[in-house]
Amino acid sequence: DSGVTQTPKHLITATGQRVTLRCSPRSGDLSVYWYQQSLDQGLQFLIQYYNGEERAKGNILERFSAQQFPDLHSELNLSSLELGDSALYFCASSSRTSGDQETQYFGPGTRLLVL
Amino acid sequence: AQSVTQLDSHVSVSEGTPVLLRCNYSSSYSPSLFWYVQHPNKGLQLLLKYTSAATLVKGINGFEAEFKKSETSFHLTKPSAHMSDAAEYFCVVRGSSASKIIFGSGTRLSIRP
Repeated sequence: DSGVTQTPKHLITATGQRVTLRCSPRSGDLSVYWYQQSLDQGLQFLIQYYNGEERAKGNILERFSAQQFPDLHSELNLSSLELGDSALYFCASSSRTSGDQETQYFGPGTRLLVL
Repeated sequence: AQSVTQLDSHVSVSEGTPVLLRCNYSSSYSPSLFWYVQHPNKGLQLLLKYTSAATLVKGINGFEAEFKKSETSFHLTKPSAHMSDAAEYFCVVRGSSASKIIFGSGTRLSIRP
């Protein structure tokens, strides 16, 4: 158990809808990362937050957004969902924002199915 | 630009025999390199990481990897495979910031009894 929790574990929704995925980092970790794992794209980095502020952006669509709250939990919002958004969404946390000593700890993921 | 290539999509070995999972990378500067393992329906777990210290990196569960700059490789090895090693393995290269994290396409490791 990595200490990172994600809810819900599974989510089934329809095209055009909006969903929110939640992540609670390990105790004391300030950095939260979001990743998408799909069959056609593999694993992709989406976005990173550090202590409430956006720190780095990857291949995140404009329909997606994220935020990190004062208690350090993070939410990933996916809107105007398309079939191709079906994927496993991982959250990871670390105690640092970058550098040689950084280690990311991954949560179990949220599996999203868009019908 | 950075890239990472896992040379085998699937590797099958017998229990008790050595494991070799191959990873080549490309980076315009000295990268950090990682190997992660993903068991079915689980999140990713860090096996080991290279961050410009020792070129031979020892990880958990008996895995190790050697950073070879001349060959731009970071292959993962284990002397003796165990049934519990069956999983998907990802080689990851990271640059100076999180926006430069690149995952390989993964290698599925199967273990034959």
